[in-house]
Amino acid sequence: NAGVTQTPKFRILKIGQSMTLQCTQDMNHNYMYWYRQDPGMGLKLIYYSVGAGITDKGEVPNGYNVSRSTTEDFPLRLELAAPSQTSVYFCASSSDLGTEAFFGQGTRLTVV
Amino acid sequence: AQSVAQPEDQVNVAEGNPLTVKCTYSVSGNPYLFWYVQYPNRGLQFLLKYITGDNLVKGSYGFEAEFNKSQTSFHLKKPSALVSDSALYFCAVSSSGGSYIPTFGRGTSLIVHP
Repeated sequence: NAGVTQTPKFRILKIGQSMTLQCTQDMNHNYMYWYRQDPGMGLKLIYYSVGAGITDKGEVPNGYNVSRSTTEDFPLRLELAAPSQTSVYFCASSSDLGTEAFFGQGTRLTVV
Repeated sequence: AQSVAQPEDQVNVAEGNPLTVKCTYSVSGNPYLFWYVQYPNRGLQFLLKYITGDNLVKGSYGFEAEFNKSQTSFHLKKPSALVSDSALYFCAVSSSGGSYIPTFGRGTSLIVHP
C-alpha cells in the first residue's frame, strides 16, 4: 500500500517554463488536496477536489491549474513558472471531509 | 472563515521533561481538530484528532491533546519528551459549520535537547 505518491521529488525550472507535478493515491479516497509550504508560513491550500471531475480553488490558486479525471490522480500544472512559485508542494488525500489527511513526501520546486 | 494559531515558532524542552505545543482555533460550528508531525524532508504524518467525545485524545508515539471548548484550544502534550520527537508540528482545523477543508497553522518547531 503506497499511500500518496508524488513525482518528481525535486525540480529546477526556469522562469516561464511549465511543468506538471504528479500525484497518485491508491486508497480510493474521494478528497484530494494540493498545498504549498513556505518557511514559517505553514501550508496554504492551492486547489482541492471532492471527487473525479470536481475541482475547486483554495487560498492561493493563481498560477496553477488542476484536473481530476480519475479518483486516483490529481496533477498540478504550472503554466508559466515564476520565482514566487519556489516552494515545497504537498499532495494529500482523505477518505471523507473532516477525516485525517494522508500526505505525499513532497516536491521541492525552485524557479530561477 | 476558520483559522488556526500556533503562537510559538519554536519550543525547547529537555529530554525526559513534559512538553506542550499550543494551538488555538476559530471556526463556525463544531471543530474537527488534528495534529500532524513533519520530519525533515518528509510529508506530514497524522498524530491524533478530536471529532467528538472525550476531551483528552490519545495518539501515536505517546502524544495526547486536550480539547478545551471554552478556550478554543487544542494543545499537544507528551509526559516525557524524547530527542527523536524533535520535528515540526502542525495543528489543523476543519468544521461542520464552515469549511470541511482543513486549515493548517504555521507550525511549531519542537527541539528536544539531550
